[in-house]
Amino acid sequence: SAVISQKPSRDICQRGTSLTIQCQVDSQVTMMFWYRQQPGQSLTLIATANQGSEATYESGFVIDKFPISRPNLTFSTLTVSNMSPEDSSIYLCSVVPPWTTLWETQYFGPGTRLLVL
Amino acid sequence: GQQVMQIPQYQHVQEGEDFTTYCNSSTTLSNIQWYKQRPGGHPVFLIQLVKSGEVKKQKRLTFQFGEAKKNSSLHITATQTTDVGTYFCAGINDYKLSFGAGTTVTVRA
Repeated sequence: SAVISQKPSRDICQRGTSLTIQCQVDSQVTMMFWYRQQPGQSLTLIATANQGSEATYESGFVIDKFPISRPNLTFSTLTVSNMSPEDSSIYLCSVVPPWTTLWETQYFGPGTRLLVL
Repeated sequence: GQQVMQIPQYQHVQEGEDFTTYCNSSTTLSNIQWYKQRPGGHPVFLIQLVKSGEVKKQKRLTFQFGEAKKNSSLHITATQTTDVGTYFCAGINDYKLSFGAGTTVTVRA
């Protein structure tokens, strides 16, 4: 399976500030996604990170609030901008490795636990 | 858009007992995946079901896909403490996963 790391693993931030989360994969992958998991809730897809082009955002998420970069096939960042306490969540990146034998299987990173005060 | 509903939200099980969690979709699914998230962990892929009526087993876990491909179930027999966690089903559309709310399982010894 793909080895995925995220930085930071957790952070406590003040409202109004921004935090950039990094996702690093140990091999090249085409499909990379960012999810949010609010406390005690399920996972919600924020956007698909596209290499070399703008991310594709889901309904309810906008680029100004969650800018995403994808400079190459192994790395992506998600920025949570102008944070408020409602942004306190776990943020996870996931990938679909090209070698997977099961179509569309996703592997998740360990997550970044964010608390906004 | 595609909505995936999952029940029950919580399942408190006596060790050794069986339980089932159910997943229902508002639309026909091309396939469905199940994930497990341990407390403090991240979702880990368990299985994917593709065919109508498909049944797959992983040791004590039995996964089933409905004939109409709009519902799925996960049945765990002889629950163990290692089964603690949240089980999510997820419908798939063009690589995008729509997760159910999850069933959080706790086990009493």
